[in-house]
Amino acid sequence: QSVLAQPPSVSGTPGQRVTISCSGSNSNIGRDSVSWYQHLPGTAPTVLICYNYQRPSGVPDRFSGSKSGTSASLAISGLQSEDEADYYCAVWDNILNSYVFGSGTRVTVL
Amino acid sequence: EVQLVESGGGLVQPGGSLRLSCADSGFTFRRDWMHWVRQVPGKGLVWVSRINPDGRTTTYADSVRGRFTISRDNAQNTVYLQMNMVGAEDTAVYYCVREFNGIRDFWGQGTLVVVSP
Repeated sequence: QSVLAQPPSVSGTPGQRVTISCSGSNSNIGRDSVSWYQHLPGTAPTVLICYNYQRPSGVPDRFSGSKSGTSASLAISGLQSEDEADYYCAVWDNILNSYVFGSGTRVTVL
Repeated sequence: EVQLVESGGGLVQPGGSLRLSCADSGFTFRRDWMHWVRQVPGKGLVWVSRINPDGRTTTYADSVRGRFTISRDNAQNTVYLQMNMVGAEDTAVYYCVREFNGIRDFWGQGTLVVVSP
C-alpha cells in the first residue's frame, strides 16, 4: 500500500478538464516537491510536472500541477485521446528515506 | 537527447543472482544521480535504489536492502544493479532513471526480470 494515495481511476470526455489528487503526509509532500509522471503501457514513463508545478520543456501546457500542505494535484485540461495513460505522483519521503510513488491513476477518455 | 538502455534482465531461479546494466548516452552522467525503479506487471511504480554522482552514496528501499547493490562506472557511463537472493516478489520490469538538477527526467525502456523455478 502506497504512502501517497491517488484515486484508482478518473475519466472524462474529449475537451473536458480532469484532476488527479495525491494525498501524502508531513514527511513527504509536506516537506518536499512533487513530480508527476505519465506512463503509457509498454513505454518508458515521462515526467510531466516537477517541483510541484513546473513543466519540463516539451510538456503541453494542458498539464498543470499544484500543491497545498500535504496534498498535490494534477490537472489535465482539454482532455485528448492520447492522454489515456497511468499517472503517478512522486516525492522523497524523509522518514522512509525513499522516493515514493503514488498508487497510480488510470485516466480514461470516454 | 539522453538515452538510457537497460540490459541484463531475464529468467532467474529463486535465490539466484542477476546483474542489470544501464548505459547512459548523455554528457552529464558524471554529474547525475541515477535511480532504479521497478514495476510488477499490472501494478504501480516502486522506487528501488539510487546512487550519487561519485558512487559513494547509495540508498535502498527496505524491500531490497541487503540483497541488491547499486554501483556505477563513470568511465563507461553505466549504472548497475546487482540483485542477489532474489525471490518471486522481485519479478518486475526494472527501469533506469536519470536525475538531473533534481528532476528525474529520463527513463529507460525497462528490462524484465522473472524469478521462477
